[in-house]
Amino acid sequence: QLQLQESGPGLVKPSETLSLTCTVSGGSVSSSGYYWGWIRQPPGKGLEWIGNIYYGGSGNTYYNPSLKSRVTISVDTSKNQFSLKLSSVTAADTAVYYCASVNKRVYGLVDYWGQGTLVTVSS
Amino acid sequence: EIVMAQSPATLSVSPGERATLSCRASQSISSNLAWFQHKPGQAPRLLIYGASTRATGIPARFSGSGSGTEFTLTISSLQSEDFAVYYCQQYNNWPPLTFGGGTKVEIK
Repeated sequence: QLQLQESGPGLVKPSETLSLTCTVSGGSVSSSGYYWGWIRQPPGKGLEWIGNIYYGGSGNTYYNPSLKSRVTISVDTSKNQFSLKLSSVTAADTAVYYCASVNKRVYGLVDYWGQGTLVTVSS
Repeated sequence: EIVMAQSPATLSVSPGERATLSCRASQSISSNLAWFQHKPGQAPRLLIYGASTRATGIPARFSGSGSGTEFTLTISSLQSEDFAVYYCQQYNNWPPLTFGGGTKVEIK
């Protein structure tokens, strides 16, 4: 069973870049069976999908159009991790950020999640 | 983008009673719908996928039904550990993957 754990700064200044890492255990980020993704939840609001990366073959990335210009998701196979970078952040990017696995066989099913990490954007 | 709407926002139920949660899609998503349970400070847990298939290890008191645009999650007899927030997610047409706003099941 996959386990995912987010890590990274809990406080980021406006206009800077938010950087988070997700460590995967119980499986490999090189697996052809999964996309690796990020989802966020601003305080008091719903869940928003940020994007996925598929490392198993193509390395393709898929981003939410609303965030696409500011988001980069990448994979580090040497550490069995994947990461999120969100540039030019504002207070609206304050949220709990979750990393997740997205099943490739059941195309698009989010099946495992991390516990989430709160990132606050403030000076 | 497919918009997912859940109702009610809050459901007050006594232990042992049945809970029925609804999820509606803005267009047909066939049976490509999942349900998650989320407790504070924990990772969300997959309960149901394919609208009606229980995920590994999920008790039989959780059941899902529906197809197209209307879906239901039923908890047949609420246990104390079932009080949580429940979300639906569509994966029929993405990107983007989209989620409902959640239903909080609280103790009556």
